[in-house]
Amino acid sequence: GNSVTQMEGPVTLSEEAFLTINCTYTATGYPSLFWYVQYPGEGLQLLLKATKADDKGSNKGFEATYRKETTSFHLEKGSVQVSDSAVYFCALSDPQGGSEKLVFGKGTKLTVNP
Amino acid sequence: GAVVSQHPSRVICKSGTSVKIECRSLDFQATTMFWYRQFPKQSLMLMATSNEGSKATYEQGVEKDKFLINHASLTLSTLTVTSAHPEDSSFYICSAVYRVRLNEQFFGPGTRLTVL
Repeated sequence: GNSVTQMEGPVTLSEEAFLTINCTYTATGYPSLFWYVQYPGEGLQLLLKATKADDKGSNKGFEATYRKETTSFHLEKGSVQVSDSAVYFCALSDPQGGSEKLVFGKGTKLTVNP
Repeated sequence: GAVVSQHPSRVICKSGTSVKIECRSLDFQATTMFWYRQFPKQSLMLMATSNEGSKATYEQGVEKDKFLINHASLTLSTLTVTSAHPEDSSFYICSAVYRVRLNEQFFGPGTRLTVL
């Protein structure tokens, strides 16, 4: 079945540091890949997505590239801010399954200190 | 736009009672909503898919009779935890599919259920 593995946190960085959160996936078909972010006290929000191999999703300075050869979708940001402190979830959906079901990784908590 | 609300945000109940959680899409119509359960430091687990006007589709291992789902309208889905037990204590999250935005899912803020 489909599954997502992402690096365990928590991750603590200083402001302006470089961020990488690793995410790898297992899927039977050709999934779409997502990063969701959950700020304290709020619901999950879509951060970025990619629907096919070699696509790069980007938003708010975050980027992730869909790598089919390594089955990965690592999240990166060149310079984090305190406001980026949140929990980040990698997820996939398999359109061949005929629905929008999402399979999530366990989440990585990021804390950015001033 | 595309806001999803949940009510209540927190609920504490006694073992054996039933609890209803509401999920509403505030500014769009959602023919499909999903219910997830999240344990501490763990991933979101899909419990069921809720389709307006039809029976919910439950994931393997989820008890249909314990977790009753009703998608009464295009903007409201409810999850009722029947005869709740302490092991049902968890964080329940819903999402609604906004088809205009290429089937993007919008998530509610979640409901913390504590069963004493």
